[in-house]
Amino acid sequence: SQQGEEDPQALSIQEGENATMNCSYKTSINNLQWYRQNSGRGLVHLILIRSNEREKHSGRLRVTLDTSKKSSSLLITASRAADTASYFCATDVRETSGSRLTFGEGTQLTVNP
Amino acid sequence: DTGVSQDPRHKITKRGQNVTFRCDPISEHNRLYWYRQTLGQGPEFLTYFQNEAQLEKSRLLSDRFSAERPKGSFSTLEIQRTEQGDSAMYLCASKYNRGTEAFFGQGTRLTVV
Repeated sequence: SQQGEEDPQALSIQEGENATMNCSYKTSINNLQWYRQNSGRGLVHLILIRSNEREKHSGRLRVTLDTSKKSSSLLITASRAADTASYFCATDVRETSGSRLTFGEGTQLTVNP
Repeated sequence: DTGVSQDPRHKITKRGQNVTFRCDPISEHNRLYWYRQTLGQGPEFLTYFQNEAQLEKSRLLSDRFSAERPKGSFSTLEIQRTEQGDSAMYLCASKYNRGTEAFFGQGTRLTVV
Protein backbone atom coordinates (compact mmCIF):
# COMPACT_ATOMS: atom_id res chain seq x y z
CA SER A 1 0.00 0.00 0.00
CA GLN A 2 1.12 3.56 -0.61
CA GLN A 3 2.40 5.45 2.41
CA GLY A 4 2.35 8.95 1.01
CA GLU A 5 -0.69 10.82 -0.13
CA GLU A 6 -0.28 13.90 -2.27
CA ASP A 7 -2.69 16.75 -2.34
CA PRO A 8 -4.05 17.98 -4.67
CA GLN A 9 -4.25 15.16 -7.20
CA ALA A 10 -4.19 17.72 -10.01
CA LEU A 11 -3.18 21.37 -10.15
CA SER A 12 -3.46 23.78 -13.07
CA ILE A 13 -1.84 27.22 -12.91
CA GLN A 14 -0.59 29.98 -15.17
CA GLU A 15 3.05 30.49 -16.00
CA GLY A 16 4.71 32.70 -13.41
CA GLU A 17 2.47 31.59 -10.55
CA ASN A 18 3.66 29.49 -7.63
CA ALA A 19 2.63 25.86 -7.25
CA THR A 20 2.29 24.16 -3.88
CA MET A 21 1.90 20.43 -3.45
CA ASN A 22 1.43 18.64 -0.15
CA CYS A 23 2.31 15.16 1.01
CA SER A 24 1.21 13.27 4.11
CA TYR A 25 2.66 9.99 5.37
CA LYS A 26 2.01 7.52 8.12
CA THR A 27 5.19 6.07 9.65
CA SER A 28 8.49 7.40 10.96
CA ILE A 29 10.96 8.21 8.23
CA ASN A 30 14.67 8.64 7.62
CA ASN A 31 14.05 11.23 4.96
CA LEU A 32 11.47 12.36 2.44
CA GLN A 33 12.21 12.89 -1.23
CA TRP A 34 10.41 14.60 -4.07
CA TYR A 35 10.55 13.31 -7.62
CA ARG A 36 9.29 14.56 -10.94
CA GLN A 37 8.05 12.44 -13.84
CA ASN A 38 7.31 13.57 -17.35
CA SER A 39 4.68 11.53 -19.14
CA GLY A 40 5.90 8.05 -20.01
CA ARG A 41 9.39 8.63 -18.62
CA GLY A 42 11.35 7.64 -15.56
CA LEU A 43 11.45 9.58 -12.33
CA VAL A 44 13.94 12.36 -11.72
CA HIS A 45 15.08 13.17 -8.20
CA LEU A 46 14.42 16.78 -7.17
CA ILE A 47 15.25 17.20 -3.51
CA LEU A 48 15.80 15.20 -0.32
CA ILE A 49 15.00 16.47 3.16
CA ARG A 50 16.16 14.56 6.22
CA SER A 51 13.97 13.91 9.23
CA ASN A 52 15.94 16.39 11.33
CA GLU A 53 15.54 19.18 8.77
CA ARG A 54 12.56 21.50 8.52
CA GLU A 55 13.16 23.36 5.28
CA LYS A 56 15.34 23.02 2.22
CA HIS A 57 15.82 25.05 -0.95
CA SER A 58 17.09 24.15 -4.39
CA GLY A 59 16.76 26.77 -7.09
CA ARG A 60 13.05 27.49 -7.52
CA LEU A 61 12.12 24.61 -5.23
CA ARG A 62 11.35 24.90 -1.54
CA VAL A 63 10.51 21.87 0.57
CA THR A 64 9.27 21.84 4.13
CA LEU A 65 8.92 18.91 6.49
CA ASP A 66 6.83 18.70 9.65
CA THR A 67 7.51 15.38 11.32
CA SER A 68 4.99 16.06 14.10
CA LYS A 69 2.23 16.30 11.49
CA LYS A 70 3.86 13.74 9.20
CA SER A 71 3.57 16.09 6.27
CA SER A 72 5.70 17.84 3.68
CA SER A 73 5.14 20.47 1.04
CA LEU A 74 6.85 21.26 -2.24
CA LEU A 75 6.71 24.83 -3.51
CA ILE A 76 7.73 25.66 -7.06
CA THR A 77 8.11 29.40 -7.51
CA ALA A 78 7.74 31.34 -10.76
CA SER A 79 6.48 28.27 -12.59
CA ARG A 80 7.23 27.63 -16.24
CA ALA A 81 5.41 25.58 -18.87
CA ALA A 82 8.34 23.14 -18.72
CA ASP A 83 7.44 22.38 -15.09
CA THR A 84 4.36 20.50 -16.33
CA ALA A 85 4.78 16.96 -14.99
CA SER A 86 3.70 14.61 -12.21
CA TYR A 87 5.32 15.18 -8.84
CA PHE A 88 5.69 12.42 -6.27
CA CYS A 89 6.78 12.40 -2.68
CA ALA A 90 8.59 9.32 -1.46
CA THR A 91 9.37 8.34 2.09
CA ASP A 92 12.56 6.54 2.99
CA VAL A 93 11.47 4.18 5.73
CA ARG A 94 14.03 2.11 7.54
CA GLU A 95 13.17 -1.56 7.32
CA THR A 96 15.07 -4.24 9.15
CA SER A 97 16.88 -5.26 5.99
CA GLY A 98 17.58 -1.81 4.63
CA SER A 99 15.62 1.14 3.37
CA ARG A 100 13.28 1.54 0.45
CA LEU A 101 11.28 4.39 -1.01
CA THR A 102 7.52 4.30 -0.72
CA PHE A 103 5.73 6.61 -3.17
CA GLY A 104 2.47 8.46 -3.06
CA GLU A 105 0.09 8.68 -5.99
CA GLY A 106 1.38 12.02 -7.17
CA THR A 107 0.17 15.45 -8.14
CA GLN A 108 -0.28 16.21 -11.83
CA LEU A 109 0.86 19.79 -12.37
CA THR A 110 -0.10 21.65 -15.52
CA VAL A 111 1.47 25.06 -16.13
CA ASN A 112 -0.32 26.96 -18.84
CA PRO A 113 1.74 29.37 -20.96
CA ASP B 1 20.69 10.83 -18.53
CA THR B 2 20.58 9.36 -15.00
CA GLY B 3 22.98 6.53 -15.75
CA VAL B 4 20.50 3.70 -15.04
CA SER B 5 19.71 1.79 -18.21
CA GLN B 6 16.72 -0.44 -18.82
CA ASP B 7 16.14 -2.73 -21.74
CA PRO B 8 13.89 -3.00 -23.61
CA ARG B 9 12.03 0.30 -23.45
CA HIS B 10 8.85 -1.26 -24.76
CA LYS B 11 7.63 -4.84 -24.88
CA ILE B 12 4.40 -6.18 -26.34
CA THR B 13 3.70 -9.80 -25.58
CA LYS B 14 0.85 -12.25 -25.85
CA ARG B 15 -0.84 -13.46 -22.73
CA GLY B 16 0.83 -16.57 -21.39
CA GLN B 17 4.30 -15.75 -22.73
CA ASN B 18 7.34 -15.15 -20.54
CA VAL B 19 9.19 -11.85 -20.61
CA THR B 20 12.50 -10.72 -19.14
CA PHE B 21 13.66 -7.19 -18.49
CA ARG B 22 17.16 -6.00 -17.75
CA CYS B 23 18.43 -3.17 -15.61
CA ASP B 24 21.99 -1.83 -15.51
CA PRO B 25 22.43 0.39 -12.45
CA ILE B 26 24.99 3.10 -11.88
CA SER B 27 28.20 1.14 -11.41
CA GLU B 28 29.11 2.15 -7.86
CA HIS B 29 25.58 1.73 -6.51
CA ASN B 30 25.11 -1.38 -4.38
CA ARG B 31 21.36 -1.06 -3.93
CA LEU B 32 18.93 -1.86 -6.74
CA TYR B 33 15.15 -1.61 -6.71
CA TRP B 34 12.34 -2.71 -9.00
CA TYR B 35 9.03 -0.84 -9.07
CA ARG B 36 5.85 -1.21 -11.07
CA GLN B 37 3.74 1.76 -12.13
CA THR B 38 0.31 1.80 -13.73
CA LEU B 39 -1.27 4.80 -15.39
CA GLY B 40 -2.11 7.59 -13.00
CA GLN B 41 -0.56 5.85 -10.01
CA GLY B 42 2.69 6.18 -8.13
CA PRO B 43 5.40 3.53 -8.38
CA GLU B 44 4.77 0.42 -6.28
CA PHE B 45 7.72 -1.37 -4.72
CA LEU B 46 8.39 -4.88 -6.00
CA THR B 47 11.80 -5.97 -4.75
CA TYR B 48 15.18 -4.78 -3.57
CA PHE B 49 18.77 -6.03 -3.79
CA GLN B 50 21.81 -5.08 -1.83
CA ASN B 51 24.69 -6.28 -3.96
CA GLU B 52 23.62 -9.76 -5.11
CA ALA B 53 21.33 -10.47 -2.15
CA GLN B 54 17.60 -10.05 -2.62
CA LEU B 55 16.64 -8.61 0.76
CA GLU B 56 13.00 -7.78 0.36
CA LYS B 57 10.08 -8.75 -1.85
CA SER B 58 6.66 -7.15 -1.93
CA ARG B 59 3.51 -9.20 -1.62
CA LEU B 60 2.77 -7.81 -5.09
CA LEU B 61 5.50 -10.09 -6.41
CA SER B 62 3.59 -13.27 -7.16
CA ASP B 63 5.21 -16.64 -7.88
CA ARG B 64 5.22 -15.72 -11.56
CA PHE B 65 7.72 -12.96 -10.91
CA SER B 66 11.38 -13.56 -10.24
CA ALA B 67 14.30 -11.18 -10.03
CA GLU B 68 18.01 -11.80 -9.94
CA ARG B 69 21.19 -9.81 -9.58
CA PRO B 70 23.78 -12.55 -10.05
CA LYS B 71 27.00 -10.62 -9.68
CA GLY B 72 25.76 -7.60 -7.84
CA SER B 73 25.76 -5.54 -11.01
CA PHE B 74 22.92 -5.77 -13.54
CA SER B 75 19.55 -7.23 -12.60
CA THR B 76 16.83 -9.09 -14.47
CA LEU B 77 13.12 -9.25 -13.78
CA GLU B 78 11.25 -12.16 -15.33
CA ILE B 79 7.50 -12.54 -15.54
CA GLN B 80 6.25 -16.00 -16.43
CA ARG B 81 2.87 -16.74 -17.99
CA THR B 82 2.05 -13.06 -18.39
CA GLU B 83 -1.47 -11.83 -17.73
CA GLN B 84 -3.19 -8.67 -18.95
CA GLY B 85 -2.98 -7.27 -15.43
CA ASP B 86 0.79 -7.31 -15.73
CA SER B 87 0.62 -4.48 -18.24
CA ALA B 88 2.47 -1.59 -16.62
CA MET B 89 5.67 0.40 -16.59
CA TYR B 90 8.47 -1.47 -14.81
CA LEU B 91 11.00 0.88 -13.28
CA CYS B 92 14.45 0.13 -11.98
CA ALA B 93 16.34 2.38 -9.58
CA SER B 94 19.71 2.28 -7.91
CA LYS B 95 21.32 4.12 -5.07
CA TYR B 96 24.60 4.15 -3.25
CA ASN B 97 23.58 3.76 0.33
CA ARG B 98 20.90 4.29 2.91
CA GLY B 99 19.48 7.76 3.12
CA THR B 100 20.51 8.84 -0.35
CA GLU B 101 18.52 9.63 -3.43
CA ALA B 102 17.58 6.97 -5.93
CA PHE B 103 18.30 7.24 -9.63
CA PHE B 104 15.69 5.78 -11.94
CA GLY B 105 15.93 4.33 -15.40
CA GLN B 106 13.48 5.26 -18.14
CA GLY B 107 11.45 2.15 -17.51
CA THR B 108 10.19 -0.77 -19.57
CA ARG B 109 6.60 -0.44 -20.70
CA LEU B 110 4.98 -3.87 -20.90
CA THR B 111 1.77 -4.42 -22.80
CA VAL B 112 0.16 -7.85 -22.56
CA VAL B 113 -2.38 -8.49 -25.32
